[in-house]
Amino acid sequence: DIVMTQSPFSLAVSEGEMVTINCKSSQSLLSSGNQKNYLAWYQQKPGQSPKLLIYYASTRQSGVPDRFIGSGSGTDFTLTISDVQAEDLADYYCLQHYSYPYTFGAGTKLELK
Amino acid sequence: QVQLKESGPGLVQPSETLSLTCTVSGFSLTSYSVSWVRQPSGKGPEWMGRMWYDGDTAYNSALKSRLSISRDTSKNQVFLKMNSLQTDDTGTYYCTRDSYNPFAYWGQGTLVTVSS
Repeated sequence: DIVMTQSPFSLAVSEGEMVTINCKSSQSLLSSGNQKNYLAWYQQKPGQSPKLLIYYASTRQSGVPDRFIGSGSGTDFTLTISDVQAEDLADYYCLQHYSYPYTFGAGTKLELK
Repeated sequence: QVQLKESGPGLVQPSETLSLTCTVSGFSLTSYSVSWVRQPSGKGPEWMGRMWYDGDTAYNSALKSRLSISRDTSKNQVFLKMNSLQTDDTGTYYCTRDSYNPFAYWGQGTLVTVSS
């Protein structure tokens, strides 16, 4: 199984700050066939289902604000949130959908400082 | 409008079988795959398995011996059955639509508690 190591576990921020969340996979998620990285990012607020933010490592899902930026390739990936808003306070998870079983990171909790 | 909704018992006895139904609308099960994902309280999600649009299935190897996913396309429903439940199977169970943008649509989730 591919292990997804996400860091940090939690992050305390003030509104307007920029934050970076990291995700490292135990194997490359880059497909040689189409040169796409099978890495997605999700946001989950308390009591809600996860919401897809980013897929193919850097493609923003429709309707997601452009302050959410995904980057990285191979085994190292980053979710950057610029100009954090109060509504961004949530748990964030990375997911690899390169091979079965699909696996999620353990999550990063974004809290208000 | 794409919608998914999970239904099933909220409480299951240890060692018994869990049966959940995912009822979908706004898309066809013969065009899109549906996955089941579960999440223990306070922990990260776990992908359980998938019903492909063509009727094929894929399972998490950690659960494969206990898990079965099936569907009824005429009723727009996907089913999950998992046997030999234990307390660490407690959590929220979601169905989610699969595509090139993975798990873009989710049900509201259903809380399953395994307890006597």
